[in-house]
Amino acid sequence: GENVEQHPSTLSVQEGDSAVIKCTYSDSASNYFPWYKQELGKGPQLIIDIRSNVGEKKDQRIAVTLNKTAKHFSLHITETQPEDSAVYFCAASGGADGLTFGKGTHLIIQP
Amino acid sequence: KAGVTQTPRYLIKTRGQQVTLSCSPISGHRSVSWYQQTPGQGLQFLFEYFSETQRNKGNFPGRFSGRQFSNSRSEMNVSTLELGDSALYLCAGTRGPLRPGANVLTFGAGSRLTVL
Repeated sequence: GENVEQHPSTLSVQEGDSAVIKCTYSDSASNYFPWYKQELGKGPQLIIDIRSNVGEKKDQRIAVTLNKTAKHFSLHITETQPEDSAVYFCAASGGADGLTFGKGTHLIIQP
Repeated sequence: KAGVTQTPRYLIKTRGQQVTLSCSPISGHRSVSWYQQTPGQGLQFLFEYFSETQRNKGNFPGRFSGRQFSNSRSEMNVSTLELGDSALYLCAGTRGPLRPGANVLTFGAGSRLTVL
């Protein structure tokens, strides 16, 4: 089955700086890569996703890049703000058992 | 538009007991998936139900089971609770059955189970 590795597990950045979270996956058949944000006391919420026929996707301050050859994808957040503090999960999907998630990155925005 | 409703939000049980958790997806979402979230293992897939049928199952023991009703509401049950079952149990809905490549999940806030 699919295996998703996510790094780092904790990331602390100054407000206004950029944050980058990286994931690798094992199943070359995976073709859908979403990112979820989980705030304290809430369930994960989709913030951006990318499909395998696209190399990069951007939505305001958030962007995701995908390298299918190397089987890795990354989340980039620019001009970080206090409300960006949360746990971020990457995931990969290609098989019948839905999404396989990474173990999460706790993003801390320092004022 | 109402969100995904999970009940109860918090519960405490002792080893050997059993527990039933409930999930009501948003209107129009007929597939319900369940995930176990722990600090060490992250989000792990338990099972998925669509049209009252279990379609997929993760790598969990038979003590974990579920069902889905005709109104898409789902329940999961854990029997003979162990300390290691302490976790946040999340359910997520999606419009159609899970399939390769396009599963946008709408999660509930979860049910936090503590086993003493």
